[in-house]
Amino acid sequence: GAGVSQSPSNKVTEKGKDVELRCDPISGHTALYWYRQSLGQGLEFLIYFQGNSAPDKSGLPSDRFSAERTGGSVSTLTIQRTQQEDSAVYLCASSLGAGTGVVNEQFFGPGTRLTVL
Amino acid sequence: DAKTTQPTSMDCAEGRAANLPCNHSTISGNEYVYWYRQIHSQGPQYIIHGLKNNETNEMASLIITEDRKSSTLILPHATLRDTAVYYCIVRSGGSNYKLTFGKGTLLTVNP
Repeated sequence: GAGVSQSPSNKVTEKGKDVELRCDPISGHTALYWYRQSLGQGLEFLIYFQGNSAPDKSGLPSDRFSAERTGGSVSTLTIQRTQQEDSAVYLCASSLGAGTGVVNEQFFGPGTRLTVL
Repeated sequence: DAKTTQPTSMDCAEGRAANLPCNHSTISGNEYVYWYRQIHSQGPQYIIHGLKNNETNEMASLIITEDRKSSTLILPHATLRDTAVYYCIVRSGGSNYKLTFGKGTLLTVNP
């Protein structure tokens, strides 16, 4: 079946511009996650959506970052006034759920490589 | 979540078994051991997870020691496409949605 898809695959932008990154999770997955991975670094959690609950935004690095998930499916990560340090691969993942005591595997998309010049 | 320690890199001959170790000596009773891998320029891929029993699926086997302080991921017949960074993580059900990867082990499968 179809996996997690992300668009665009690559984005080059100029410092100060806004960018929008899109994620289409696996159909039926109620949990959606955004991470970023800088060159040679590990995975950094950004934000998490679960059903209709308020999202966990604790990983967003600044107020220039925001995300929304419409209709419980597609999600958009927006970065305003981009800076060079925002350059990274932005990964989206989804899982069946994330209930207490249940550990669900996360399925990742291919990522969006963002380059801020 | 408990911290894990993995070797920086390993090599394996194609067709042979790859055994990737992971130490997690501070693991607590409700924490699972998870393995993911990341092939170059791709997103991380779930491989397998376990609590205390050994586990096997179509991709790999996971051997967890009786005291649960270490584990080994086994790829029974490594192929060139298994060349990737392998991440061992430990996490509990209560905070399961924040995956955090360390440096992992770069496994290079050689022809």
